Amino acid sequence: DGGITQSPKYLFRKEGQNVTLSCEQNLNHDAMYWYRQDPGQGLRLIYYSQIVNDFQKGDIAEGYSVSREKKESFPLTVTSAQKNPTAFYLCASSIGQPGELFFGEGSRLTVL
Amino acid sequence: QKEVEQNSGPLSVPEGAIASLNCTYSDRVSQSFFWYRQYSGKSPELIMSIYSNGDKEDGRFTAQLNKASQYVSLLIRDSQPSDSATYLCAVDRGSTLGRLYFGRGTQLTVWP
Repeated sequence: DGGITQSPKYLFRKEGQNVTLSCEQNLNHDAMYWYRQDPGQGLRLIYYSQIVNDFQKGDIAEGYSVSREKKESFPLTVTSAQKNPTAFYLCASSIGQPGELFFGEGSRLTVL
Repeated sequence: QKEVEQNSGPLSVPEGAIASLNCTYSDRVSQSFFWYRQYSGKSPELIMSIYSNGDKEDGRFTAQLNKASQYVSLLIRDSQPSDSATYLCAVDRGSTLGRLYFGRGTQLTVWP
């Protein structure tokens, strides 16, 4: 079945460590997005990519990095520069009407 | 003023009632409006999109848009316990890139 696979679902990290969250889709979607969700908060855009080898910063890109070497893959690295990384991270893709997003199951990162 | 404001709730309605969820937005150039449903601990899923003033119906769901008042709403008729979730309002940023502003969500509980 087509979909977006995020891994790992749960991740614990010590302060000062970088961690990479995987996002893979087999929907043949061009646009991909990373959002962050904190308890009681709306989703905030971290990075997005419209095509392979191109990506743009969102509203809260500081402390994060991405790559888009393949259409199917859009990994997110949470670096040690991110001051408050504990959150629920959501990868999404979109085809057709912009804004109609299809989300993966999410990755929950906890910094110890 | 936040870009997208929603009644934080929680909203509680009995089974079979109409649930009314409201959202206001601040950016007058926004043209696309979305409602996402998010069950506890899960990722959001798109349930409605609306682009023109007026009503759009899909099964038990009706989205209403009034651009002059910068207001969008979601009505859920014949509410079911399975509708219990957080409903996120999302608004585009006046571009075709699919970047959205999300509200904080309204938590809905439908009791039997």
